Amino acid sequence: QVTLKESGPVLVKPTETLTLTCTVSGVSPSNARMGVSWIRQPPGKALEWLAHIFSNDEKSYTTSLKTRLTISKDTSKSQVVLTMTNMDPVDTATYYCARTLPVQFWFVDWGQGALVAVSS
Amino acid sequence: DIQMTQSPSSLSASVGDRVTITCRASQSINSYLNWYQHKPGKAPKLLIYVASTLQSGVPSRFSGRGSGTDFTLTISSLQPEDFATYYCQQSYSPPLSFGGGTKVEIK
Repeated sequence: QVTLKESGPVLVKPTETLTLTCTVSGVSPSNARMGVSWIRQPPGKALEWLAHIFSNDEKSYTTSLKTRLTISKDTSKSQVVLTMTNMDPVDTATYYCARTLPVQFWFVDWGQGALVAVSS
Repeated sequence: DIQMTQSPSSLSASVGDRVTITCRASQSINSYLNWYQHKPGKAPKLLIYVASTLQSGVPSRFSGRGSGTDFTLTISSLQPEDFATYYCQQSYSPPLSFGGGTKVEIK
């Protein structure tokens, strides 16, 4: 069974950089021909897709936040990292990582989510 | 970028009712449309992928139809555990995108 777990700070200050880590368990890193996306949900609002990293290390970002986001992975650790610069209170949200199978873009497994608040 | 529009944004229904949610894409996405169920405090759950394929373990009362720009999710007989928010998501091409969600509430 594949599980994903998000980790990172609960609180960040405005203008700071957020770094979130998604750790994937239950699949061998050498066999991890999968993609991982980051998705967020502000309180009371809809899901918003942020970024995706493919098994070949290609990346894709949502247009509106492209300049602030970086997604990367460490296959040896089965981890995918998202950084978001210049955090603002409107970025307060639950951040999820989710897994896709190779060459597919639907999310078969999700983490439980990490709530991140942005406040001074 | 492809925009996804769901309707209605919320609905009230009773146990046993047939419920249909609509999702429209701003351009053709063939059949690359997926549906998720999301309950508060839990991870979203994949229900249907590529418009009509039921994910393993999902009850058969859930069904999906459509292609091109117009899609539907139908729950044939609403059960107490089905009260949740439902999202469509296009997987035609990145950047990926979700609809605004449909909250299904108890009447």
